[in-house]
Amino acid sequence: AQSVSQHNHHVILSEAASLELGCNYSYGGTVNLFWYVQYPGQHLQLLLKYFSGDPLVKGIKGFEAEFIKSKFSFNLRKPSVQWSDTAEYFCAVNYGGSQGNLIFGKGTKLSVKP
Amino acid sequence: DGGITQSPKYLFRKEGQNVTLSCEQNLNHDAMYWYRQDPGQGLRLIYYSQIVNDFQKGDIAEGYSVSREKKESFPLTVTSAQKNPTAFYLCASSIMRGSNNEQFFGPGTRLTVL
Repeated sequence: AQSVSQHNHHVILSEAASLELGCNYSYGGTVNLFWYVQYPGQHLQLLLKYFSGDPLVKGIKGFEAEFIKSKFSFNLRKPSVQWSDTAEYFCAVNYGGSQGNLIFGKGTKLSVKP
Repeated sequence: DGGITQSPKYLFRKEGQNVTLSCEQNLNHDAMYWYRQDPGQGLRLIYYSQIVNDFQKGDIAEGYSVSREKKESFPLTVTSAQKNPTAFYLCASSIMRGSNNEQFFGPGTRLTVL
C-alpha cells in the first residue's frame, strides 16, 4: 500500500540548532512531494514542493528538502532554527501522476526552545 | 482576500445528531477536499470533488456525506453513523485535482461529540 513515513513524532531543539526531519515514501514510481507546515493556530500552508528537476528544493523561511530517489526519501532541512519555527510539519506524497490524491505522513512536532 | 473559510471554528454535538460543517472558497478552484486530522495520525482524506455535482469517497468516507452544488461550496455532514467523530476537520481546494496542484487549506473546524 502507498504510505508516507515520518520518522520523528516530536523533535525538541534549541535555537540555532540544525534541523533535519525525515520523510520516506513506499512507492517507486512517479511521485510528487510536498512539505506542509501548521503553525499553532494557523492554517496548514505549503513550505516547498518537488515535481521534477533539481532534487534540492528551496522553500519559504529558509527551509530546503532533498529528493533522493534511490532512498525514497524527501527530508526537510534548515541550517539554523528559530523559536518561530515551532510548528507541526507534514510530508505529503502524490502517487500516480495526475489522478492521484495526496497521502500525508503522521506529522512531526517541532519545539524550538528560546 | 482570496481563501478558504470554514465555519464554525468549534462545534459541539450530542451523540446521535448529524452536524454539517461549512467550507467555502473564493479561489475559483475546481477541486475541493475534506480531511480529518487526529493527533499523531496526520491528515486522512474523507471525500473529494473535482467538479460541481460530482464527488468521490476518500480513505475514510464511512459515516460522512458531502454535496457539491456550487463550485465555491463543499459542505461536509458528519452523521450519527460515524463512530468516532471527535476530530479536527480541514477543508482544502486546488485549481484541479492532480499531482501538480498545490492544495490550499482552510482554518479547520474542531468537532467535539459530548
